[in-house]
Amino acid sequence: DAKTTQPTSMDCAEGRAANLPCNHSTISGNEYVYWYRQIHSQGPQYIIHGLKNNETNEMASLIITEDRKSSTLILPHATLRDTAVYYCIVRVLNAGNMLTFGGGTRLMVKP
Amino acid sequence: KAGVTQTPRYLIKTRGQQVTLSCSPISGHRSVSWYQQTPGQGLQFLFEYFSETQRNKGNFPGRFSGRQFSNSRSEMNVSTLELGDSALYLCASSFSTSGYNEQFFGPGTRLTVL
Repeated sequence: DAKTTQPTSMDCAEGRAANLPCNHSTISGNEYVYWYRQIHSQGPQYIIHGLKNNETNEMASLIITEDRKSSTLILPHATLRDTAVYYCIVRVLNAGNMLTFGGGTRLMVKP
Repeated sequence: KAGVTQTPRYLIKTRGQQVTLSCSPISGHRSVSWYQQTPGQGLQFLFEYFSETQRNKGNFPGRFSGRQFSNSRSEMNVSTLELGDSALYLCASSFSTSGYNEQFFGPGTRLTVL
């Protein structure tokens, strides 16, 4: 699986959009971009995934650049409960459920 | 629908002992994966089971083993415990092993080795 690079930490004001970047410059054509988050002392939680088109669900939006070398996870209206470590993962499908986690971005949402 | 459950939630063992952790997946899910999380190494994949067969294995020594039962419940065993095995052990369940289905993680078992 391709390697990802994320900022170690970010702050965001409550109610504002949180934009979390991820670089995956060595991504292959058949690799998807996945985002998970881990709230303190809990198991990771799936957020969203995509291949090349932008994706949106009830939790977040995923914007993938045209060359697919980077992506941004957007939490449109961050709340204090969104404070967590966010992991960007690149993986192929049809290869099992193994996830390779990097260091992630620690997002702190402040009042 | 009940989520992924892991037992016990907390465990304290001493070096040299062995330990067995249990994971009950979401009803209908047949894939169970295990992860180890430590402050130094982060989240690392241990192994994945599907239909009682190990499908993938991470880079861990043979002291780490697992199995899955016909009802999809899974156990992992760590023998000859070392101090470095102190970690949060997480399991995740999914409907299939294709990777197309979302994985759901349990709350984890926190193991402390003294």
